[in-house]
Formats: sequence, C-alpha cells, structure tokens
Amino acid sequence: NAGVMQNPRHLVRRRGQEARLRCSPMKGHSHVYWYRQLPEEGLKFMVYLQKENIIDESGMPKERFSAEFPKEGPSILRIQQVVRGDSAAYFCASSPTGQVPSGEQYFGPGTRLTVT
Amino acid sequence: GESVGLHLPTLSVQEGDNSIINCAYSNSASDYFIWYKQESGKGPQFIIDIRSNMDKRQGQRVTVLLNKTVKHLSLQIAATQPGDSAVYFCAENKINNAGNMLTFGGGTRLMVKP
Repeated sequence: NAGVMQNPRHLVRRRGQEARLRCSPMKGHSHVYWYRQLPEEGLKFMVYLQKENIIDESGMPKERFSAEFPKEGPSILRIQQVVRGDSAAYFCASSPTGQVPSGEQYFGPGTRLTVT
Repeated sequence: GESVGLHLPTLSVQEGDNSIINCAYSNSASDYFIWYKQESGKGPQFIIDIRSNMDKRQGQRVTVLLNKTVKHLSLQIAATQPGDSAVYFCAENKINNAGNMLTFGGGTRLMVKP
C-alpha cells in the first residue's frame, strides 16, 4: 500500500512565477491536509480538504495561495506570483476520515520550494 | 494565541542511554497529543499518541507522559539508538465537526552519539 505521494520533491521558481504542488493521498483516504514548514521550525497548518470541498482554510494566506482536491486526481496547492518568502517545505498529509480518533495523519515526503 | 512549544531545541545523548524530550502546551481543550519524528529530508512520522484523559501510554521503547496540571508532555525513548536521531515534534489535536486540526510545536533535535 503506497503512502502519501507528493511531487515534485524539489521545485525551483523565479519570483513572479507560479508553483504547483501535487499530493496523492494514501489509498482509501479522502481527507487531505497541507502544511508549510520553514527551516528549523514546526509545521504550520494551511488547509484541510475533502473531495471537491475545502473544509478549513484558516491557515492559508489570503492572497496568491489556493488549494483544490478534485473528484479525480491529486490535490493541488497553487501559489501564484511566488516571492522569496514562499520558500519552504510543503507537506501533505491524509487521513481515512476527518475524525480519526487520535487525529493521526500520514505525511508525504514533502515538496521543497525554492524561490530565486 | 494558544500554542504548543518545546523547552529544548537540541538534545544530545549517548547511544544506549534514555532520552527525554519535553513539550509545553497551552490549549487545555485538546483531545489528543501526538509525537512525530522527522528525519532529514522526510515527512513527519507518527510515533505515539495519548488521549487527554490519560497520563501515561507506552509503546515499543517509547513512553509518553501527560501532566495536565502543568500542561506538560514528554516523550521518553529507552535505549536510544543512532536511528533515533531526528527532530521530534509534539502536536495537539482538537477534534471538532470539521475534522482533525493538528497544531505543532517547534521541534527538538535529538542527536545520538555512538
């Protein structure tokens, strides 16, 4: 059973370009979470999605960032007009249902975004 | 705002010794507390969790202690091995109708000396 897949693993963008990060949850999981991690810091929640629905986007910046989880295909985190401050590791996690008893989430390997 | 934080940024231990990683939290309403291990270049890996109505839980070589009086959480690793070298995060989970929201602390780096 494959784990959470993320691609690309590394992404380099120039300022002003768009970044698209993809996440395929574990088989049978319909809930996806995106987190951002700056070097030497903890993970910060960004958005929680179910198929075709955004459940909680309280951690998403108001501008330039968007996320989707279509009926078919992976979840996409899109960052428009990237700036140097967007450089970070972006992790996706999935869970089988929203209310797993402990809240355990399974994390992917992350996408490391570098903005030059 | 409410947060989860750690006392020590780096912990260095000798191989075979026991390790204790600490975490302070401020949200008394959390339902679960979870420890994650993150190795360099990888995503966080679940280690163990503890429900808020418990004070101790044991796993394989790991024990988590929860002291609600002082809002303190600790992870004990017995007979620390080189493979335990990683950054450890505590996270708290408040389950609501929208699902599970994890709030992570800042992390402690564990270095195991051979």
